[in-house]
Amino acid sequence: NAGVTQTPKFQVLKTGQSMTLQCAQDMNHNSMYWYRQDPGMGLRLIYYSASEGTTDKGEVPNGYNVSRLNKREFSLRLESAAPSQTSVYFCASSDQFNYGYTFGSGTRLTVV
Amino acid sequence: AQSVSQHNHHVILSEAASLELGCNYSYGGTVNLFWYVQYPGQHLQLLLKYFSGDPLVKGIKGFEAEFIKSKFSFNLRKPSVQWSDTAEYFCAVNAYTGKLIFGQGTTLQVKP
Repeated sequence: NAGVTQTPKFQVLKTGQSMTLQCAQDMNHNSMYWYRQDPGMGLRLIYYSASEGTTDKGEVPNGYNVSRLNKREFSLRLESAAPSQTSVYFCASSDQFNYGYTFGSGTRLTVV
Repeated sequence: AQSVSQHNHHVILSEAASLELGCNYSYGGTVNLFWYVQYPGQHLQLLLKYFSGDPLVKGIKGFEAEFIKSKFSFNLRKPSVQWSDTAEYFCAVNAYTGKLIFGQGTTLQVKP
């Protein structure tokens, strides 16, 4: 099925552990994004990649790193998880004109 | 920096009531505007979008939005809500930077 695929769907981490959230799209989109969703704060942009080989910080990049592995894949890494990173994470992609954004189904992350 | 403000954080309506959700953005140039909906436990779905042309945009499920450039607003409307419209609604703006910036979201609860 065409779209954006995120893995895993759920994850519980202990403080200080690391993990990588995976995202892949099969729509040949140039741009990819990582957002976090927190109650009352909407979706906030963590990092984005306008094209393969480039990444840029969004509104809330601290504590995260990203890798644009190829045109299809854009991963988000938490090196040392903190309770403040408990959130729902969404990956998205868009075409070169940013006319259409497609979102993945999300990863619910809990850091204890 | 771009910002998006949604005035209503939590709206409660009875079925058949009319809906209007406010959205204002702070960017003086040309923008693309979006409304997304998130049903409980699901990912974001596009309701409608505005790029250019007729400022009154019609979307799915009977929703529409009006772009008023002089007021930097893009309010969402529906003449008669249904219980199935219970969801969270997000306004978002892209000012050709490639980054989609979201408002804080409005939770709509429709009572049967």
